[in-house]
Amino acid sequence: SQTIHQWPATLVQPVGSPLSLECTVEGTSNPNLYWYRQAAGRGLQLLFYSVGIGQISSEVPQNLSASRPQDRQFILSSKKLLLSDSGFYLCAWSGGYGGYTFGSGTRLTVV
Amino acid sequence: GNSVTQMEGPVTLSEEAFLTINCTYTATGYPSLFWYVQYPGEGLQLLLKATKADDKGSNKGFEATYRKETTSFHLEKGSVQVSDSAVYFCALSPDMDSNYQLIWGAGTKLIIKP
Repeated sequence: SQTIHQWPATLVQPVGSPLSLECTVEGTSNPNLYWYRQAAGRGLQLLFYSVGIGQISSEVPQNLSASRPQDRQFILSSKKLLLSDSGFYLCAWSGGYGGYTFGSGTRLTVV
Repeated sequence: GNSVTQMEGPVTLSEEAFLTINCTYTATGYPSLFWYVQYPGEGLQLLLKATKADDKGSNKGFEATYRKETTSFHLEKGSVQVSDSAVYFCALSPDMDSNYQLIWGAGTKLIIKP
């Protein structure tokens, strides 16, 4: 069966520090992968999506970047975090039935 | 273009009350429709889906019917429980075959009081 792993679950980082969040999918090949951000009490904002290795589409210009070094690995990064980068980050994959499977999320607090 | 509109929350109900969360959409073609649920501090889980007009998705006592004539996919449950407290998201997929991105509603927070 397909599973998705996202880590870490929580993270507290100082302003100006780098960021790396990792997401991996098991049990499927060539998935579409997504990074979303959810600010407190708000809806979902699509940040990046990827349809294959090395293929990244950015939806919102910002302080973040994404990479897909392997078929089932999706990484969200930043060189220097801002206070406004705080939020709940969700990774998801799409397997062809039109719906998504989400990871458990990373709660990022920038202080 | 494609869009999803959900009723604003929070929706507050007493246990065993009847629940309706409204969702309407605009879309070209024949989208698939979804409801996701997000419990506090967790990621989203697929609750139910419908892929064509008049389909009814159901799961855990929740139901939603794909109404093309009214472009709606309202979520209903006959008797809610405290454990149903969560945020509910309506979403559509413009094309079932092409793994297109989901178009999301803003989410509706549901609070069930004992």
